[in-house]
Amino acid sequence: IAGITQAPTSQILAAGRRMTLRCTQDMRHNAMYWYRQDLGLGLRLIHYSNTAGTTGKGEVPDGYSVSRANTDDFPLTLASAVPSQTSVYFCASKSGGAAGELFFGEGSRLTVL
Amino acid sequence: AQSVTQPDIHITVSEGASLELRCNYSYGATPYLFWYVQSPGQGLQLLLKYFSGDTLVQGIKGFEAEFKRSQSSFNLRKPSVHWSDAAEYFCAVAAGGAQKLVFGQGTRLTINP
Repeated sequence: IAGITQAPTSQILAAGRRMTLRCTQDMRHNAMYWYRQDLGLGLRLIHYSNTAGTTGKGEVPDGYSVSRANTDDFPLTLASAVPSQTSVYFCASKSGGAAGELFFGEGSRLTVL
Repeated sequence: AQSVTQPDIHITVSEGASLELRCNYSYGATPYLFWYVQSPGQGLQLLLKYFSGDTLVQGIKGFEAEFKRSQSSFNLRKPSVHWSDAAEYFCAVAAGGAQKLVFGQGTRLTINP
């Protein structure tokens, strides 16, 4: 079944450790996104990529980095995790332009202690 | 910059009753507007979207939404809710030509039997 795969599903991490959340899509969408979801704050955009080889900063980029070496993969890295990065992270890809539909993965729950 | 406000954090309705979830947006030109639904432990799924034409749009699962430019609103409605509609609902806006979506804080819907 076509879609977006995120890994890991859940992770507990010590503060200061490096962590990479993986995201792979098989729909050949050009645009991909990373959001974090926190209670009462909805989804906030961390980083995005309009096409392979390009990335951009979203609303809350500090402490995170991304890369887009190819169309399918869009990993999110926390270089040195802090407790405030405890959240549920969603990867998404989009078909079409601004009016296109976002397709979401099932999320990665990250707890930083 | 565009923004979205969902005034109701939590709404409870009885099964079979009608539903209206509020969404107000801030953007200078005609926006692209979306409603997404998130079931517990899942990613988000598109319910409907508006980007031009008829201001009343129909979506999946019997939902509809009306774009009212004068009120900067895009409220979601359903004539008769089912227990399976219990979920969190997110309104989102994209500026014309922009690839990024900005989400509201979400409204959690509880259905009483």
